[in-house]
Amino acid sequence: QKEVEQDPGPLSVPEGAIVSLNCTYSNSAFQYFMWYRQYSRKGPELLMYTYSSGNKEDGRFTAQVDKSSKYISLFIRDSQPSDSATYLCAMRVNTNAGKSTFGDGTTLTVKP
Amino acid sequence: SAVISQKPSRDICQRGTSLTIQCQVDSQVTMMFWYRQQPGQSLTLIATANQGSEATYESGFVIDKFPISRPNLTFSTLTVSNMSPEDSSIYLCSVEVLGWGGYTFGSGTRLTVV
Repeated sequence: QKEVEQDPGPLSVPEGAIVSLNCTYSNSAFQYFMWYRQYSRKGPELLMYTYSSGNKEDGRFTAQVDKSSKYISLFIRDSQPSDSATYLCAMRVNTNAGKSTFGDGTTLTVKP
Repeated sequence: SAVISQKPSRDICQRGTSLTIQCQVDSQVTMMFWYRQQPGQSLTLIATANQGSEATYESGFVIDKFPISRPNLTFSTLTVSNMSPEDSSIYLCSVEVLGWGGYTFGSGTRLTVV
């Protein structure tokens, strides 16, 4: 079993929809939780990060972490065609040269 | 955050040959990371490159196959040696953001081995 499992998708939604992207994990030691966005033929781009449990909001994006359930989510409100990309969750144990463990990614298409 | 230039952006190579991928960062960084991303799969860390010391390889990756150089604090290369079709993948270099664990990635090298 993988340490990080991500809803595989693909996901297709109409413009303006609310999108929910989700990951579960098995390692209770994970403390830092990140979401990356990757456009086609580009490297991943750090979108949001949270430490421990709780919510974090940045514009149309909200990241949620529920450590008790080992579950993280990224919500996109008022989705736009420009949000069409692959979204990767990532997690790590600590900041001391620890490596991140990535999910496989969910490909999102927002249709105009 | 740091800006990373990676080249080549893509290449098609014959099996048995080697390809060297270059990664240039616009600021000095202690550690640089090399990842592989296979189609439909997550990013897999190949190795961590520290300036002035040997690279640290992850399980399943060896120096003979993926030699890494790190001559200074802004530059690194990854060589994929004696390539086979199984090495066809996207290779990415990255550096840490703000020292807490997020990464900035280069745009990647899309390698096809025929």
